[in-house]
Amino acid sequence: DAKTTQPNSMESNEEEPVHLPCNHSTISGTDYIHWYRQLPSQGPEYVIHGLTSNVNNRMASLAIAEDRKSSTLILHRATLRDAAVYYCILSIMDSNYQLIWGAGTKLIIKP
Amino acid sequence: DVKVTQSSRYLVKRTGEKVFLECVQDMDHENMFWYRQDPGLGLRLIYFSYDVKMKEKGDIPEGYSVSREKKERFSLILESASTNQTSMYLCASSEQGAVREQYFGPGTRLTVT
Repeated sequence: DAKTTQPNSMESNEEEPVHLPCNHSTISGTDYIHWYRQLPSQGPEYVIHGLTSNVNNRMASLAIAEDRKSSTLILHRATLRDAAVYYCILSIMDSNYQLIWGAGTKLIIKP
Repeated sequence: DVKVTQSSRYLVKRTGEKVFLECVQDMDHENMFWYRQDPGLGLRLIYFSYDVKMKEKGDIPEGYSVSREKKERFSLILESASTNQTSMYLCASSEQGAVREQYFGPGTRLTVT
């Protein structure tokens, strides 16, 4: 049973903002939302995580819906180096906060 | 700069062979993880360890075992490799605690023929 739902792929133009959506309708109050990305031929790397409030860091912003059933990863100005598979992941308290990975969204950046 | 290294990027083994995948981290992290990654399935947790000599089963431990004799090293063992264990294997580490950033190695692509 998938915990998160993401589009298989998205395209965006270089130097424009990118909004990557994620649905997690079965999330509970203690589950965290994480985003990782995986560049070609590399292991995944952490992007951002949050619980209830929106979060910002040097890489991206995470906008969490008020009911927490969805979230959006925002890349403010995409570059060609941001082309990767982006994973929206839950960590669930009942599973000792292990990361539950989905299939991810392949982000294609057009020059 | 944090670093997780894996012993091989590519490995080809025959069915029935015993296979060792090694992972070393230089960040003094307590937690270490082994995942496998297959197309369309995302990452699936095989085993994890919260401390030296401690191990916990993940979602798909069948056919695998692990060893953690030193804090920085976490080994994944395939006792008798089978073709359905052909996959990308990823090691990760993190600080102690429930919700911590995981740092990943580059992965080992294992092919079992």
